[in-house]
Amino acid sequence: DAGVTQSPTHLIKTRGQHVTLRCSPISGHKSVSWYQQVLGQGPQFIFQYYEKEERGRGNFPDRFSARQFPNYSSELNVNALLLGDSALYLCASSLKVPETQYFGPGTRLLVL
Amino acid sequence: AQSVAQPEDQVNVAEGNPLTVKCTYSVSGNPYLFWYVQYPNRGLQFLLKYITGDNLVKGSYGFEAEFNKSQTSFHLKKPSALVSDSALYFCAVRDYRSGGYQKVTFGTGTKLQVIP
Repeated sequence: DAGVTQSPTHLIKTRGQHVTLRCSPISGHKSVSWYQQVLGQGPQFIFQYYEKEERGRGNFPDRFSARQFPNYSSELNVNALLLGDSALYLCASSLKVPETQYFGPGTRLLVL
Repeated sequence: AQSVAQPEDQVNVAEGNPLTVKCTYSVSGNPYLFWYVQYPNRGLQFLLKYITGDNLVKGSYGFEAEFNKSQTSFHLKKPSALVSDSALYFCAVRDYRSGGYQKVTFGTGTKLQVIP
């Protein structure tokens, strides 16, 4: 079975722009979570969705939003990009809540 | 608020020697504890978890972890280190509450260097 997939793998944006990151969970997994990992730090929890409903939110500004689609894939949107948004964005899926999360390879975002 | 502490930024161990990577946690409810490993420019790979039951949990690649409730610790161990174990290790805690709400908190990571 395919693991969690994320697109794109790399992205370069400028300050003030908007970005959309995409995630496809492992087949059969109904929960998707998003994390931000800044270089040298552990992943920081952004959102968790289960059955298309938000089930958890970390301490991130309203510029960050997400949604989950009927096929359980998910998008993370970030508006008005700041330099500090440069990071590796990780998506993780799990069968349900709470269960072990399996991570995708991440999207590396660079904001110039 | 829940938290995870990994007190060592880096652990060096000779190949073939036992290794320990330390983790302590703080949660208000029942802890679900996890260890993940991250190789350069890769996502996180699941190693093992503790939810309930035996305090000694066995996971992938020969790793195990010991849950100690009184010391609020969940140290990762391996009897004999391999050079290929060199990577970044993260401890994580999930505070599960009723209704399905959850928040996962990761530690800052410990770099394991296994010396040939």
